[in-house]
Amino acid sequence: DVKVTQSSRYLVKRTGEKVFLECVQDMDHENMFWYRQDPGLGLRLIYFSYDVKMKEKGDIPEGYSVSREKKERFSLILESASTNQTSMYLCASSTHPGAGGLRSTDTQYFGPGTRLTVL
Amino acid sequence: AQSVTQLGSHVSVSEGALVLLRCNYSSSVPPYLFWYVQYPNQGLQLLLKYTSAATLVKGINGFEAEFKKSETSFHLTKPSAHMSDAAEYFCAVSGPGTGNQFYFGTGTSLTVIP
Repeated sequence: DVKVTQSSRYLVKRTGEKVFLECVQDMDHENMFWYRQDPGLGLRLIYFSYDVKMKEKGDIPEGYSVSREKKERFSLILESASTNQTSMYLCASSTHPGAGGLRSTDTQYFGPGTRLTVL
Repeated sequence: AQSVTQLGSHVSVSEGALVLLRCNYSSSVPPYLFWYVQYPNQGLQLLLKYTSAATLVKGINGFEAEFKKSETSFHLTKPSAHMSDAAEYFCAVSGPGTGNQFYFGTGTSLTVIP
């Protein structure tokens, strides 16, 4: 079974703090993703990565950065947390369909989520 | 642009009744389509996916979905609801025409009434 783990289930931080959310997958997947989930808005893509040290912006990258130094680990960084970043954060991974395939279209496997509260 | 529409943000059914959750997509080419389920305080779990093979796709927990190209729909059904089906359900689309991305619907919360 694919396993995606996230470093914390619940996190409480103060405005202005630097926040690190860690995600690790054990299936040697090339692709990794960070989403935030808010009521009525569904899942919105923050950043994704197709390979080590590669990153691309999703739909809402403002206020976030990412790091992928190892294939299995994808970190989301809030440089200076703000109250509007209070949300559920979900990490996902997927395999690369191979030459000629679209890189991010295969099944995504999700971690349990981190519920972040910024006070 | 690719999009997914889930009709009804909240659906309530009685235990034992038919479950029908609606999903429509916009795509100029046949997409890949997915249904995910999210139980409270958990991540998303894949229920089923359509990738241009059989149009009727069977998933886990007795759920199935039918791809209807003429209606651009991929509705999720289950003949008899169980209390344990209460969760949030997300439809998603990817594939050619999505610009290398997944797109999720806004979700449908299913309540099962005993």
